[in-house]
Amino acid sequence: NAGVMQNPRHLVRRRGQEARLRCSPMKGHSHVYWYRQLPEEGLKFMVYLQKENIIDESGMPKERFSAEFPKEGPSILRIQQVVRGDSAAYFCASSPPNYSSGNTIYFGEGSWLTVV
Amino acid sequence: DAKTTQPTSMDCAEGRAANLPCNHSTISGNEYVYWYRQIHSQGPQYIIHGLKNNETNEMASLIITEDRKSSTLILPHATLRDTAVYYCIVRVGGETSGSRLTFGEGTQLTVNP
Repeated sequence: NAGVMQNPRHLVRRRGQEARLRCSPMKGHSHVYWYRQLPEEGLKFMVYLQKENIIDESGMPKERFSAEFPKEGPSILRIQQVVRGDSAAYFCASSPPNYSSGNTIYFGEGSWLTVV
Repeated sequence: DAKTTQPTSMDCAEGRAANLPCNHSTISGNEYVYWYRQIHSQGPQYIIHGLKNNETNEMASLIITEDRKSSTLILPHATLRDTAVYYCIVRVGGETSGSRLTFGEGTQLTVNP
């Protein structure tokens, strides 16, 4: 059973470039979540997606950040015109569609973005 | 989601049981109690969850008080590899949006040799 797969694991970008982080959920999972963890800080929710739909993006910065989860392929978190403050670990998580029994959310190992 | 309160840090001797408390006095009837942990520089790891009954799996036991206002995560025989930040989270079950996990500060558990 493959877990939540994230790539790249480490990414270095220069200020102003774009960063694309990919997440493949666990098999059978149709819900994806993205979290960000700044250095020495806690995990902050960014966005919750189902296939082809953004359900909750209340934690997503209004500018430069976008996320998608297409019908086919992985979920992508895109950061345009990166700045040094975007340097962080970005964690993706997934869950199955059935909530009724308190379904479990599983996390990937993260993508570490460094902006130089 | 209901707010939780956990001690900032705890220590435990290797081989002993680690008992991590969590208060969630405003928990609602449809909210589950989840425990995750994060070992440094790794992704959060699911441990266990429950609604009102005590739960046990290969990693830990979860004891939820009868009024559901607090719970305790028990690691029966702590090892050095259990050193991590442990998060107690309450989360709504059922088909709703916003079913995300909201992480607080957690408890830094240090297992000492």
